[in-house]
Amino acid sequence: AQSVTQPDIHITVSEGASLELRCNYSYGATPYLFWYVQSPGQGLQLLLKYFSGDTLVQGIKGFEAEFKRSQSSFNLRKPSVHWSDAAEYFCAVGALGFQKLVFGTGTRLLVSP
Amino acid sequence: NAGVTQTPKFQVLKTGQSMTLQCAQDMNHEYMSWYRQDPGMGLRLIHYSVGAGITDQGEVPNGYNVSRSTTEDFPLRLLSAAPSQTSVYFCASSYRGPGLRTEAFFGQGTRLTVV
Repeated sequence: AQSVTQPDIHITVSEGASLELRCNYSYGATPYLFWYVQSPGQGLQLLLKYFSGDTLVQGIKGFEAEFKRSQSSFNLRKPSVHWSDAAEYFCAVGALGFQKLVFGTGTRLLVSP
Repeated sequence: NAGVTQTPKFQVLKTGQSMTLQCAQDMNHEYMSWYRQDPGMGLRLIHYSVGAGITDQGEVPNGYNVSRSTTEDFPLRLLSAAPSQTSVYFCASSYRGPGLRTEAFFGQGTRLTVV
């Protein structure tokens, strides 16, 4: 069965510092991976997605993620965090062809001044 | 751009009441789905649809019904509300892209409290 693990429930980063959010997945076939961000009281916004090809994926708002098959990981990174990045971040794995996403439990990012 | 629209945004129900959460999308997407979000559990799939007239169960379908009579609408029905159904509900739609690639677009959510 598919599963996604986000080991960090909360992370606090100083504004301007770099960020890495961890995501490990379990999937029997080629995974299709996504990172979503959720601001308080809002829906989910897609940051980036990986289907195939280049393992380093660029997304919106300066985020990137690297797919590492050998480690079953899809970690999200940003070189310099802004206060507006404070939100909850979800990693998800999807089945090809239709909409059945399996989500991790999320990581809440706090940004300190 | 309306995208995915969910109504209502907030709802309080008494145990045993029934209600329908509405979801509409204006992007002509084939696929639609319902998730519930609970603290510490991420989002879990309730039901999904791959086209009008076709629905299937997700991970947590008990207590919920769906139907898909049009491409645009995918309502979620709670038959007899229970406190365990207190949650935030998200509707999503997605397209059938090249090479079967797709991405999901989410509504703003419905916060449901069952007392």
